[in-house]
Amino acid sequence: DAGVTQSPTHLIKTRGQQVTLRCSPKSGHDTVSWYQQALGQGPQFIFQYYEEEERQRGNFPDRFSGHQFPNYSSELNVNALLLGDSALYLCASSSRAHEAFFGQGTRLTVV
Amino acid sequence: QKEVEQNSGPLSVPEGAIASLNCTYSDRGSQSFFWYRQYSGKSPELIMFIYSNGDKEDGRFTAQLNKASQYVSLLIRDSQPSDSATYLCAVNAGGTSYGKLTFGQGTILTVHP
Repeated sequence: DAGVTQSPTHLIKTRGQQVTLRCSPKSGHDTVSWYQQALGQGPQFIFQYYEEEERQRGNFPDRFSGHQFPNYSSELNVNALLLGDSALYLCASSSRAHEAFFGQGTRLTVV
Repeated sequence: QKEVEQNSGPLSVPEGAIASLNCTYSDRGSQSFFWYRQYSGKSPELIMFIYSNGDKEDGRFTAQLNKASQYVSLLIRDSQPSDSATYLCAVNAGGTSYGKLTFGQGTILTVHP
């Protein structure tokens, strides 16, 4: 049983560019949440998707958007990248009957 | 006041000792509590969760929850060098916020031989 998988694992982008990160949830999970983790900090909640809709959102600007597909996989899009967007982006999958499990993360560097 | 606060580290203990990690939270309505372990450069790994007041034991790990004091802790018995990592406390408010985890800043634990 594959766990939560994210792609790509590392990414380097230039300020002002756009980026798309992808996540496939663990089998049996229908909810995907995205987190941003800056160096030395705990993960910060970006948003959560369930039934292809954004159900909750953290304190992140509209430059951060997402999508969930019918197979429960999800994308995180960030527009107009800033240097401060450099971080580890984590996807977590869960369901009502399960705790949240994280993927290996995508390390985004904005230069 | 931060929503979830963890005891400041880093915490250093000798091999075989008990490591005690503490966490307080501000939302009295919080319903579920989690401890994640994160090795350097890796993603968080769930090691314990607790929903009810009291103690929950799993191998060398014991989670303790006191909702009246808004306090949750993790004890690691017989600490091993492989336990050296950052430990993250996470809280789920439940209800309409189900699934949203609020994390503390993490406590770095070092177990020295």
